Amino acid sequence: AQKVTQAQTEISVVEKEDVTLDCVYETRDTTYYLFWYKQPPSGELVFLIRRNSFDEQNEISGRYSWNFQKSTSSFNFTITASQVVDSAVYFCALSEARYGNKLVFGAGTILRVKS
Amino acid sequence: DVKVTQSSRYLVKRTGEKVFLECVQDMDHENMFWYRQDPGLGLRLIYFSYDVKMKEKGDIPEGYSVSREKKERFSLILESASTNQTSMYLCASSFPGQLSSGNTIYFGEGSWLTVV
Repeated sequence: AQKVTQAQTEISVVEKEDVTLDCVYETRDTTYYLFWYKQPPSGELVFLIRRNSFDEQNEISGRYSWNFQKSTSSFNFTITASQVVDSAVYFCALSEARYGNKLVFGAGTILRVKS
Repeated sequence: DVKVTQSSRYLVKRTGEKVFLECVQDMDHENMFWYRQDPGLGLRLIYFSYDVKMKEKGDIPEGYSVSREKKERFSLILESASTNQTSMYLCASSFPGQLSSGNTIYFGEGSWLTVV
């Protein structure tokens, strides 16, 4: 069965701190896709990154970086030098190739960045 | 720019009312989805449609139905609203197939429904 676990319900940091959001997934497929989405207070889900199961390279985009480790079934997200604008709910999600484009989401992590 | 538009951002309905949540997309996507978002549970799939007049149940279809008469429009219907359907509802759309680099799911801004 496919499942995504985000164990951190809420994280509070002070601006400029680094923060890591954890994501652990379960799947029986060998081909799958992992995602991170950001949901600001406005409500819309903003796509941040997609990673397929055959590409374990870590990725960096500005202050954002992602660490994908198949050995531990984890896809963690780090924000370096956090800013108040990073305050949002962050979702990790999984899509198995055999299910086409259905997404299974984790419960989400609320990130609060204080100035 | 891809646009998924949900017509109502905030609704307050009474128990037992029939409720329609409308979603329109402008990218000619075949697939459309309705998700429900609740604190601590993330987003859960209610229904999806892969073509006009086609629909499939998601993980939590009970108490809901859907309608897809036109490709760009996907409606979620609560036949008799109940208080446990108070939630945020998100519509999404995409092309069919795997979510590889050429295919992304786009989400609307959400509809906050309160049933009293």
